[in-house]
Amino acid sequence: GQQVMQIPQYQHVQEGEDFTTYCNSSTTLSNIQWYKQRPGGHPVFLIQLVKSGEVKKQKRLTFQFGEAKKNSSLHITATQTTDVGTYFCAGATGFQKLVFGTGTRLLVSP
Amino acid sequence: DTGVSQDPRHKITKRGQNVTFRCDPISEHNRLYWYRQTLGQGPEFLTYFQNEAQLEKSRLLSDRFSAERPKGSFSTLEIQRTEQGDSAMYLCASSLAGGETQYFGPGTRLLVL
Repeated sequence: GQQVMQIPQYQHVQEGEDFTTYCNSSTTLSNIQWYKQRPGGHPVFLIQLVKSGEVKKQKRLTFQFGEAKKNSSLHITATQTTDVGTYFCAGATGFQKLVFGTGTRLLVSP
Repeated sequence: DTGVSQDPRHKITKRGQNVTFRCDPISEHNRLYWYRQTLGQGPEFLTYFQNEAQLEKSRLLSDRFSAERPKGSFSTLEIQRTEQGDSAMYLCASSLAGGETQYFGPGTRLLVL
């Protein structure tokens, strides 16, 4: 079945440093979505990418969808302590069933 | 609050007991999804409804699990004869048909002793 992998599993940065998580799907996706989950919380939608090679920005966050629509990345510039949480990519196919990645847990030290 | 709500938020039960969870989606959303999340993992798809029709079930959903959405609004997920391996967070999400964004509820955390 379809698998979505993320690297790294965990990253600890100092506040102000940049952070990147990478997402790879075993199959071509119709779109990819990114979610953030705070400790003890539920996934919160961040963004959706649909087009091959698409790049979207949300303030300090930059999201990219690969040309082959099988990989994606999330880059955070100048991390803040409020960025702490686990970032999941989720690949969508067909009727929008989401296959979530393994997640990258981000810890930011002040 | 007009978001997705789930009840109960926490459930502790003994092995072999039946449990039922409820999800109330965002009112105008006709798609409803159930996911299961274990510690350190991403949510895993369980099943999906469009209106009252259950359109897909994951192989993860054994015959002890049943989900309903009788009037196309709220949904229930029942687990019969619970096992310790059922301990997880059960998440519900909803979306508009044709829309891609899924909005998640706070989840029901199940602990089977």
